[in-house]
Amino acid sequence: RKEVEQDPGPFNVPEGATVAFNCTYSNSASQSFFWYRQDCRKEPKLLMSVYSSGNEDGRFTAQLNRASQYISLLIRDSKLSDSATYLCVVNPGGSYIPTFGRGTSLIVHP
Amino acid sequence: NAGVTQTPKFQVLKTGQSMTLQCAQDMNHEYMSWYRQDPGMGLRLIHYSVGAGITDQGEVPNGYNVSRSTTEDFPLRLLSAAPSQTSVYFCASMTGGEKLFFGSGTQLSVL
Repeated sequence: RKEVEQDPGPFNVPEGATVAFNCTYSNSASQSFFWYRQDCRKEPKLLMSVYSSGNEDGRFTAQLNRASQYISLLIRDSKLSDSATYLCVVNPGGSYIPTFGRGTSLIVHP
Repeated sequence: NAGVTQTPKFQVLKTGQSMTLQCAQDMNHEYMSWYRQDPGMGLRLIHYSVGAGITDQGEVPNGYNVSRSTTEDFPLRLLSAAPSQTSVYFCASMTGGEKLFFGSGTQLSVL
């Protein structure tokens, strides 16, 4: 089983739709969780950290479920500019080595 | 702040040639790493370092060397390039298990 798993998609949604991605992780000792956004052949950029209590940034909501070992990203009112690959990143405790999921592709169409 | 500076942006090599990809950060981060990204494969860790003088292998280290003589710099060396090393390479740094900062990437083609 891969340490961090994501559905590769693509998720193909119309503008204005709400879409959610999940990411599961296998290391129960994991400490830090992040969502990154990557545009085609560009460097990944931090979208948001994921906190235990859940957190929101505008149209984006991230949640962590430690019991079931997954994190989620919800995007409301999708924009064309949200089209990208969304990477889940997990930092295990006591180690510097973050683990990446393979990413989920989102395509928002008019 | 420059952040993570990675050079060159593009490079074409012939099989057997050697080259060094440069990576520098000005944030005093302990952790630096190199990833390669191939279509459909996601980011794969090549080598990483948790401080000056300390390096270790990641998931796909074969064919690559690294060194960390200073906190700021973490060059990646291809000793004898092979077509299988055609990829996009990213350098990244972070501190204390927090968020990663990425360089802008190097698109490498080996003919």
